[in-house]
Amino acid sequence: DAEITQSPRHKITETGRQVTLACHQTWNHNNMFWYRQDLGHGLRLIHYSYGVQDTNKGEVSDGYSVSRSNTEDLPLTLESAASSQTSVYFCASSGAGTGELFFGEGSRLTVL
Amino acid sequence: GENVEQHPSTLSVQEGDSAVIKCTYSDSASNYFPWYKQELGKRPQLIIDIRSNVGEKKDQRIAVTLNKTAKHFSLHITETQPEDSAVYFCAAHPTGNQFYFGTGTSLTVIP
Repeated sequence: DAEITQSPRHKITETGRQVTLACHQTWNHNNMFWYRQDLGHGLRLIHYSYGVQDTNKGEVSDGYSVSRSNTEDLPLTLESAASSQTSVYFCASSGAGTGELFFGEGSRLTVL
Repeated sequence: GENVEQHPSTLSVQEGDSAVIKCTYSDSASNYFPWYKQELGKRPQLIIDIRSNVGEKKDQRIAVTLNKTAKHFSLHITETQPEDSAVYFCAAHPTGNQFYFGTGTSLTVIP
């Protein structure tokens, strides 16, 4: 069955370190998204991509970057982790047009 | 851009009663409206969706209604059960664009 997977599921890191969260989907979806979820803020969009070599900033993109070198993967990089980036991160993907959005299992990141 | 508002933020109902969650959107280009259920510690999962050419859709105990003129849509859960307790998110999606989410409703079903 097609799916979307994230790794690592849990990570603890220190302030200032670079961190990369992986997202891999086997739906062959063009559209991929990264959200962060914090209590009281719902799902906030960090970055998104509509295809290979395409990346766009969401509403909370500062301190984050993504790259899209193939259809299946959209890694999220925190260049210099900050305590404010402690959160649960969800990757999601959807097909072309008005397609359903599927979420990965989430990655819980703690920055000490 | 699109703006989605969701109410209420918390909702408690007695088991067996109905629950209604309402969302409004601002962009008339939005034409797909999914609802997600998120249990504690889990990923959001699609439970029902509606497209702009339909006014109502039902799936067993859950239903969604859409009023395009007023730009609002609602989730209705009948005969609620304790396992319905979760956070529910609405979203609006203009074709070819990102998904815009409401801030979520925490539903508690009291046995």
